[in-house]
Amino acid sequence: GAVVSQHPSRVICKSGTSVKIECRSLDFQATTMFWYRQFPKQSLMLMATSNEGSKATYEQGVEKDKFLINHASLTLSTLTVTSAHPEDSSFYICSADSQGVGGYTFGSGTRLTVV
Amino acid sequence: ELKVEQNPLFLSMQEGKNYTIYCNYSTTSDRLYWYRQDPGKSLESLFVLLSNGAVKQEGRLMASLDTKARLSTLHITAAVHDLSATYFCAVDGKIIFGKGTRLHILP
Repeated sequence: GAVVSQHPSRVICKSGTSVKIECRSLDFQATTMFWYRQFPKQSLMLMATSNEGSKATYEQGVEKDKFLINHASLTLSTLTVTSAHPEDSSFYICSADSQGVGGYTFGSGTRLTVV
Repeated sequence: ELKVEQNPLFLSMQEGKNYTIYCNYSTTSDRLYWYRQDPGKSLESLFVLLSNGAVKQEGRLMASLDTKARLSTLHITAAVHDLSATYFCAVDGKIIFGKGTRLHILP
């Protein structure tokens, strides 16, 4: 079945630094990928829709200059958290539209801790 | 604005019992998804429901969809401890998730 690889799985960074998270579709092409954030014991909140070759579409309230998304190829989307602060600590999950092979597939998630 | 409501949000039940989780959504949708999430993990796809009246079963879990009522159900039959997890429903479009149902099954 469709596989989405997400790295890193865990990252600890200092406040003020930037962190890049990668999301790769391994056996299918994904023109669209999605980035979510999940706080403890809460649901997933969609942050942005990543479109290959064009600008990402951000949800209301998500700072596009802080959460930079790049979708340079049909198999790779990256999320960069710039100038991270402790309140950005969260579980970030990507997903890709693999409807041709069975719907949406989720990455394994990245737990970001900003200290 | 599309809203997805799940209930209950928390469910503690004994092994061997049956129960149903409900998912209501506010606008028409082509697809309805059910996912399972274990603590500290990402989401595992359980079911994709594509049309009115769709019913899918996998082991002790069965999902159904009523698009006219904008309602999906996830039925658990003879629960076992391994089914303890958080279950999310989501609808298509931007994949809007419900708040999740934390299921705890007591031995």
